[in-house]
Parts: sequence; structure tokens; C-alpha cells
Amino acid sequence: GAGVSQSPSNKVTEKGKDVELRCDPISGHTALYWYRQRLGQGLEFLIYFQGNSAPDKSGLPSDRFSAERTGESVSTLTIQRTQQEDSAVYLCASSPWIGGNQPQHFGDGTRLSIL
Amino acid sequence: QQPVQSPQAVILREGEDAVINCSSSKALYSVHWYRQKHGEAPVFLMILLKGGEQKGHDKISASFNEKKQQSSLYLTASQLSYSGTYFCGTGLMNRDDKIIFGKGTRLHILP
Repeated sequence: GAGVSQSPSNKVTEKGKDVELRCDPISGHTALYWYRQRLGQGLEFLIYFQGNSAPDKSGLPSDRFSAERTGESVSTLTIQRTQQEDSAVYLCASSPWIGGNQPQHFGDGTRLSIL
Repeated sequence: QQPVQSPQAVILREGEDAVINCSSSKALYSVHWYRQKHGEAPVFLMILLKGGEQKGHDKISASFNEKKQQSSLYLTASQLSYSGTYFCGTGLMNRDDKIIFGKGTRLHILP
């Protein structure tokens, strides 16, 4: 596609449920990043993928969070047993490859609300 | 290792200039600048690499002082469309695989 696509755009769920957030990067982009943005806050790094490998999972807040990526395409961020503090916008970005000299292209995010 | 941005917020009148600063306690390889409008995705503005670069993008430019581990974003003759939150993201010399974002600077332009 033309840009990074994320789905769903909004998700409301009850505390304790599991949720899956999807990111479809720009075609040909090998690097994919997940960020969390709480209301009025900055971008908190969660995890990145180079291809389908995740060399750095250090930003995942707890073992309730996991992510996977198939090949160099779609990635899924899964949050198990959701808590109210998980409420945030989850942003995905992609870039041609890994590197500090690569611009990141962001999707519109998934707004997650935990009741 | 999160970069520190200053100021946290600024209000300007259309046509005035603004400077947003980003500083790190670690040696930097790169500095990214992004703008995010309310309810929208962050949009890439520019990347500066080590070597003391300066870059320009219309009336928005930036500098990178590698020795001081600082970058500044300059917005001249600001327009209403410049309103939003500006984030810097820093890539470390020994971790050239991801960038860490600052908390952002909120810029509001008044007509």
C-alpha cells in the first residue's frame, strides 16, 4: 500500500481480555517498529523487527505483551489480560531498513481503551 | 537515555520564529525530527547525521552539534500549519538500530 496501515483504528475492551493489533508496513520496508503513546505523552519504544527477527524486545512493558512478524510484512502486537494502564494509542512505523539514518513512516495508530 | 527537549511548550503569533532544542547524555549518531498534529500520526521532517550537519526544509531547518550532543530545530516566520507537537528522536553511536524519542514540544501558533 501507499502508507503504513494499522487496524483496528479503535478498540474498546474489558479489563482482562486479550487484544491483537495489526500493522501492515510499506511494501519493501524491512524494518518495523511499535510504539506506545499515552495521552499527551511522547512515543515509548516497545519493539522493533528487522525482517521477522526481533533483536530488541527491551521496551515491552511486561510478559503480557508480545509481537510477531511474518516475513517482511504484517506484524501483530498482542496484549494478554489487558489492564487499564494499557490504554493508549499504539503506533507502528516502518523504514526501508534498520538504521539511525532511516526515516520512519508512521501509521495512524490504534486507539486502545480498556474499561 | 531519553533525550531532553526544551521548551515543553511554546505559543507564538504567526510570523514569529521558534527554536526547539534536543539534548542527550549519550554520544549520538543521528537526530530525527517529527511533527505530530492532534489525533494524527507523527510525520517525518528530517534526519541529521553526525558531522555537524545542518538541513533545511522550506522555513524549517535544524542543526546537529555532535560534540555537545545537541540538536536544534528552527522554525522561521511560523505559519498556522506549523502548530503541533515536535518530537526529536536520537540514534546512539553504539546502538544504531533504533531511535529513542523525547517527550515532545507543543507548539501553538496564533493568528
